[in-house]
Amino acid sequence: AQSVAQPEDQVNVAEGNPLTVKCTYSVSGNPYLFWYVQYPNRGLQFLLKYITGDNLVKGSYGFEAEFNKSQTSFHLKKPSALVSDSALYFCAVRGVILTGGGNKLTFGTGTQLKVEL
Amino acid sequence: DVKVTQSSRYLVKRTGEKVFLECVQDMDHENMFWYRQDPGLGLRLIYFSYDVKMKEKGDIPEGYSVSREKKERFSLILESASTNQTSMYLCASSSSRRQGLSNYGYTFGSGTRLTVV
Repeated sequence: AQSVAQPEDQVNVAEGNPLTVKCTYSVSGNPYLFWYVQYPNRGLQFLLKYITGDNLVKGSYGFEAEFNKSQTSFHLKKPSALVSDSALYFCAVRGVILTGGGNKLTFGTGTQLKVEL
Repeated sequence: DVKVTQSSRYLVKRTGEKVFLECVQDMDHENMFWYRQDPGLGLRLIYFSYDVKMKEKGDIPEGYSVSREKKERFSLILESASTNQTSMYLCASSSSRRQGLSNYGYTFGSGTRLTVV
């Protein structure tokens, strides 16, 4: 079975400071990894993904994520946070090898990011 | 712009009513999903479908059913609404094809916030 852990319910950071939102995963074989962002009363929006290749993945709005196979982590980062980055962030994983219909992603429980002036 | 459209943003229904939540995607995706989102619980999979007329139970199917008569449309049905089904409902779709931008990631609708009174 595949699983995702987001150990922090909330992350607080001052505007202009770097931010990190943590994610660890468990899956059989190589993973496909995703980050999504959700603004209030909206659906989830795709931020970035790791499929293969470079361990540092760049995505939308200046976000990036680092894939670390030995630590089974995929932490989301941004060098300089903005107040407008305040939102709920979800990490998701699925295995490369299809185990059944549906291509199901498994999501973490989400991390609320709050960026303050 | 490709998208997933959920028919209602906000819905208020009475206990015992039969409720239909509609989801339409214009990306020719094979897979479609219904999730509910509750604070502290993240996204929980209700049902998914990987082909027309095909459906599989997710993690919390009790009290729900689904219908997929056409590839682009996936309906969630609450047979007899109850107050514990008050939640945000999210529809998503994905492609089974390895090529393309999606690489199995999901595209989400904007969500339907359902209140059962």
